[in-house]
Amino acid sequence: ELKVEQNPLFLSMQEGKNYTIYCNYSTTSDRLYWYRQDPGKSLESLFVLLSNGAVKQEGRLMASLDTKARLSTLHITAAVHDLSATYFCAVEPGTASKLTFGTGTRLQVTL
Amino acid sequence: NAGVMQNPRHLVRRRGQEARLRCSPMKGHSHVYWYRQLPEEGLKFMVYLQKENIIDESGMPKERFSAEFPKEGPSILRIQQVVRGDSAAYFCASSPGQGVGAFFGQGTRLTVV
Repeated sequence: ELKVEQNPLFLSMQEGKNYTIYCNYSTTSDRLYWYRQDPGKSLESLFVLLSNGAVKQEGRLMASLDTKARLSTLHITAAVHDLSATYFCAVEPGTASKLTFGTGTRLQVTL
Repeated sequence: NAGVMQNPRHLVRRRGQEARLRCSPMKGHSHVYWYRQLPEEGLKFMVYLQKENIIDESGMPKERFSAEFPKEGPSILRIQQVVRGDSAAYFCASSPGQGVGAFFGQGTRLTVV
């Protein structure tokens, strides 16, 4: 059974600081996704990572994938309050076409 | 092109009643997925459907839950004889093909009282 673990589960950080969220998964996967969810809202797709060594950046967020280590990271640079949300990674193995989600990381950026 | 549309957004049911959740996929998408999110948890896969076919229902509880995606009309997730533990947010996602990133709807928040 595929397991996806994120850490930390909760992250409180000051504006302007940098931090990294980690996503570990237990079996080989073809695709890894990062989503953002605001309270009471749906999921907003942030990144899709398809291959080993893939790195994608959008604004203050950068995601990377190491398939050998079965690890993805979401790096936050110079955090701002608007980034406060819960971030999920999700893994889609092979052609299974279903996502297995991590537990989520609740990010709180304080002024 | 409208996104994935779910309705209702909020649904309150008494224990023992039936809940019907609807999902209209994005135009051109024939693959639909249902996920459940319990409070303070991640999303859990329930079922994957294509038009008129259930492809993978490995995440569906064995009893009281069913899903369909008819040739015409929205996909329906049906929960019979609801219990308090069914209270959750139910998200639908659609994609144009297998292995293609899915887009999520706004979710239906079911509360069982």
